[in-house]
Amino acid sequence: EVQLMESGGDLVQPGGSLRLSCAASGFTFRNFGLTWVRQAPGKGLEWVSSVNAGGSQTYYADSVKGRFTISRDNSDNSLYLQMNSLRADDTAVYYCAKGRWSSGVQFDSWGQGTLVSVSS
Amino acid sequence: NFMLTQPHSVSESPGKTVTISCTRSSGSIASSFVQWYQQRPGSAPATMIYEDNQRASGVPDRFSGSIDRSSNSASLSISRLKTEDEADYYCQSYDTNNRVVFGGGTTLTVL
Repeated sequence: EVQLMESGGDLVQPGGSLRLSCAASGFTFRNFGLTWVRQAPGKGLEWVSSVNAGGSQTYYADSVKGRFTISRDNSDNSLYLQMNSLRADDTAVYYCAKGRWSSGVQFDSWGQGTLVSVSS
Repeated sequence: NFMLTQPHSVSESPGKTVTISCTRSSGSIASSFVQWYQQRPGSAPATMIYEDNQRASGVPDRFSGSIDRSSNSASLSISRLKTEDEADYYCQSYDTNNRVVFGGGTTLTVL
């Protein structure tokens, strides 16, 4: 059974940094693309960033480009999101999603999410 | 980049059939696959349909997906509606640069 477990969410001040993690199990991690999707309170789903299976290709939404960095450790079955220069509108639940293929643009499994609150 | 537009809300009675649309703003709806996700209140999203019309594992056959090139849209149909189908539903696709696009979501009320 595929399991994705996010962690690292917290209350942080504007301008601060945070690193989210997603621990994966139940599948051959190195073969699949992975994505971070967020959901602001009362709002819809918003794509944040994706990484391909090998970790060589990364993609970002315009709203986070230059501030967030996605990475993965295929030896540790972990996905990360380094978030810098955080703003109030980054407040959201952040989900880790597993792609159906190496590119990861179709999702077949989701984690339960971790809450990031940006406020002074 | 393109946008995916969904109705904000739909409602229907138990036992009936409801269809949720997802219209692509530019480029052909057939140029990249469409997925559908269900999100019940307080829960993470769950995959219902992938590659336009393929049911995800464990999804009942009451759920079906399709695309219509003439209207440049995708649709999710749910037949024999149950109260447990009440949820938000999101369509999703991607562009040639692997940038992911979500629709704004549709709230389904079964009353």
